[in-house]
Amino acid sequence: GESVGLHLPTLSVQEGDNSIINCAYSNSASDYFIWYKQESGKGPQFIIDIRSNMDKRQGQRVTVLLNKTVKHLSLQIAATQPGDSAVYFCAERTGGFKTIFGAGTRLFVKA
Amino acid sequence: SQTIHQWPATLVQPVGSPLSLECTVEGTSNPNLYWYRQAAGRGLQLLFYSVGIGQISSEVPQNLSASRPQDRQFILSSKKLLLSDSGFYLCAWSKGPRAEQYFGPGTRLTVT
Repeated sequence: GESVGLHLPTLSVQEGDNSIINCAYSNSASDYFIWYKQESGKGPQFIIDIRSNMDKRQGQRVTVLLNKTVKHLSLQIAATQPGDSAVYFCAERTGGFKTIFGAGTRLFVKA
Repeated sequence: SQTIHQWPATLVQPVGSPLSLECTVEGTSNPNLYWYRQAAGRGLQLLFYSVGIGQISSEVPQNLSASRPQDRQFILSSKKLLLSDSGFYLCAWSKGPRAEQYFGPGTRLTVT
């Protein structure tokens, strides 16, 4: 069945370093991918998205990479800051309305 | 700008009691609306979505129901809560089915 998984449940990085959060998906028909950030007790916040006709997209301090060959998605955060500490979810959509979320990776930023 | 509201923020209800959670969106019209549930330390599970007033699609059959009485109002209900209904309930909206979803602040429900 469809699944979106994350390689690491927890990631700890030093402030100022770059962070890379990885995600694997299983449905090769998925054509839209999203990264969300969720702080404790709050709803997920949209970070960046990418469509399957692209392999890279950049935002402010964030970059999403999509490798359709191996069905892998990653989120790169440049110069990680304490405010980046949160749980990060990748999600995939295969047409329609259903967005499938992964379990999440918790990012800890050490000062 | 668009904003999405949910209430209550937290709720503690006994098993067997009814439930009504409300979500409203401001600053947009005819949004797609969604209800998700998030168990502790887990991802989000889509419960219901709606493309218009009175139009509800259910993703997970259970003792919950949803209604959309107005364009920007989405309600999640239950007649009798179960312990397994505890969780963090999130409402979201999007401009269309293929647009990014924006989430509300959530309601933390504890069924005792």
